Amino acid sequence: SAVISQKPSRDICQRGTSLTIQCQVDSQVTMMFWYRQQPGQSLTLIATANQGSEATYESGFVIDKFPISRPNLTFSTLTVSNMSPEDSSIYLCSVEPSWGGYNEQFFGPGTRLTVL
Amino acid sequence: AQSVAQPEDQVNVAEGNPLTVKCTYSVSGNPYLFWYVQYPNRGLQFLLKYITGDNLVKGSYGFEAEFNKSQTSFHLKKPSALVSDSALYFCAVRENSGYSTLTFGKGTMLLVSP
Repeated sequence: SAVISQKPSRDICQRGTSLTIQCQVDSQVTMMFWYRQQPGQSLTLIATANQGSEATYESGFVIDKFPISRPNLTFSTLTVSNMSPEDSSIYLCSVEPSWGGYNEQFFGPGTRLTVL
Repeated sequence: AQSVAQPEDQVNVAEGNPLTVKCTYSVSGNPYLFWYVQYPNRGLQFLLKYITGDNLVKGSYGFEAEFNKSQTSFHLKKPSALVSDSALYFCAVRENSGYSTLTFGKGTMLLVSP
């Protein structure tokens, strides 16, 4: 397993501003993921972040809106840029400690973002 | 494309009674299947998974799930519900060939009454 922390745990932001969310893992992991959980909805994968390479974004998500950094094997950031009320969601990072589709992912506690 | 359906938005059960949370899936090949639980203001916690082998999978907190290939289902079960089991439950699937991303269902809220 892995212990994951996220900062901030919650924030209230103004329209047009940007927020950077940090994800820290207690062990080195190859694969990290960022998800969005909109109110009353399921988790939607934003991007996969592997250390040393550009993040891979899912359909409907672009780097200009959600830039991601992955400077090492224990840390990643997601920035929500030029925010609008539609970006109000819980943002979750997750990790998959071992490569292989049969492995479960471990999730951070989430960042609850409200955009006014 | 892969998908997961959780047909019930909410399941209500009395404490001590058995519970079932339903999940059906669709993948091109064979599936890896997962159940996660989310407590209020918490991240998702892994409960159990099916990779291959026995169709009945046992997981954390007394939960189990039954894989049924012909019905493409992976229902979550527990013989005796606890009030503390009240939470949001997510089923997830990924195809077991190569590497694919994890697709989640919309979640089912389980409410266990005393």
